[in-house]
Amino acid sequence: GGIITQTPKFLIGQEGQKLTLKCQQNFNHDTMYWYRQDSGKGLRLIYYSITENDLQKGDLSEGYDASREKKSSFSLTVTSAQKNEMAVFLCASSIPDNSGNTLYFGEGSRLIVV
Amino acid sequence: QQKVQQSPESLIVPEGAMTSLNCTFSDSASQYFAWYRQHSGKAPKALMSIFSNGEKEEGRFTIHLNKASLHFSLHIRDSQPSDSALYLCAVNTGNYKYVFGAGTRLKVIA
Repeated sequence: GGIITQTPKFLIGQEGQKLTLKCQQNFNHDTMYWYRQDSGKGLRLIYYSITENDLQKGDLSEGYDASREKKSSFSLTVTSAQKNEMAVFLCASSIPDNSGNTLYFGEGSRLIVV
Repeated sequence: QQKVQQSPESLIVPEGAMTSLNCTFSDSASQYFAWYRQHSGKAPKALMSIFSNGEKEEGRFTIHLNKASLHFSLHIRDSQPSDSALYLCAVNTGNYKYVFGAGTRLKVIA
């Protein structure tokens, strides 16, 4: 088995601040994702990375940057934090399998903007 | 752009009941269909998935897929209080991008 570790669990920042969330996985999966979870809106894809050194925009990439430093780690930066961006950010990794591409999630990082 | 909708938004059932959750999608080229379960404050976890029309059963859980009607569902037999969670359906068109529904919040009362 493996695990996805997200840090920090809670990130508090001021409006306009640049804030970074980090994600590590030890599954040795090629593909990693960042999703945003707002109450009542399900999960929305921000960025994903198919392999190391790859970066792809999701549907919600505006206002965010991402970086795949190495195979096991994927970071997400909120370029200018806004109060309407307070949400839980979920990191996931995946590998193709018989079910398509099963996602393995971390427990999330909650962003609080004051 | 793929649209995925779930119903109902929330559901309360007594212990032992059959629970049915629904998911509709808009892209007829969709290939993989999955359900994820998220207990409060925890990571979403894959529950079941299917890629061809029909049904698939694993223990108390059954997934139905009807591609022609752009619909799939999850049925939980003998629902237990431990099944109380947020259930998310997810659809993939064969690339790496899964689109999720907004979720159904299930509460099973003992």
